[in-house]
Amino acid sequence: KAGVTQTPRYLIKTRGQQVTLSCSPISGHRSVSWYQQTPGQGLQFLFEYFSETQRNKGNFPGRFSGRQFSNSRSEMNVSTLELGDSALYLCASKRDGSYNEQFFGPGTRLTVL
Amino acid sequence: QQQVKQSPQSLIVQKGGISIINCAYENTAFDYFPWYQQFPGKGPALLIAIRPDVSEKKEGRFTISFNKSAKQFSLHIMDSQPGDSATYFCAASMSGNTPLVFGKGTRLSVIA
Repeated sequence: KAGVTQTPRYLIKTRGQQVTLSCSPISGHRSVSWYQQTPGQGLQFLFEYFSETQRNKGNFPGRFSGRQFSNSRSEMNVSTLELGDSALYLCASKRDGSYNEQFFGPGTRLTVL
Repeated sequence: QQQVKQSPQSLIVQKGGISIINCAYENTAFDYFPWYQQFPGKGPALLIAIRPDVSEKKEGRFTISFNKSAKQFSLHIMDSQPGDSATYFCAASMSGNTPLVFGKGTRLSVIA
């Protein structure tokens, strides 16, 4: 079974731009969560989507948004990029009925200059 | 507000030794406690997880010990190998579809 895939793997943007990241969950998983990983703050939860609806949301500004498609693929968007948005963005998928076993993708490394 | 505190930040262990990483949590509603292993350039990989109805869970060389009254849980890596060198994260979540709350991570180096 293929794992969680994320594209692109690396991105370089400049301040003020916007970016869209993509995540394809493990086949059959309908829950997709997004996390931001930085050396200072560690892994922080952004949001979770299930069946095309946002089910949970973390404490991030409105510049961070996401969506999920009918095939469970998810995208997250960051508008008006700031230097502090430089991070590894990870998505994780979970099977219905699993307790909370989340399987992570390799992440997208975003650098904001 | 850090809900899961992990220690130590870094750990150096001799090959064949036991690596021990500790986590403490505050929210008594947490009832799922996984450990993740992350290698450079990779996403975190689920290693082992425990629920509060048991005090210990073992999978191969990896063991979770759980102390509900102390609100602490730990990961023990027996017979540590250089290939175990990675960053380890503990996490916790409540029942239902709630997000994982992660500790800050422990960088483990196993030296020969």
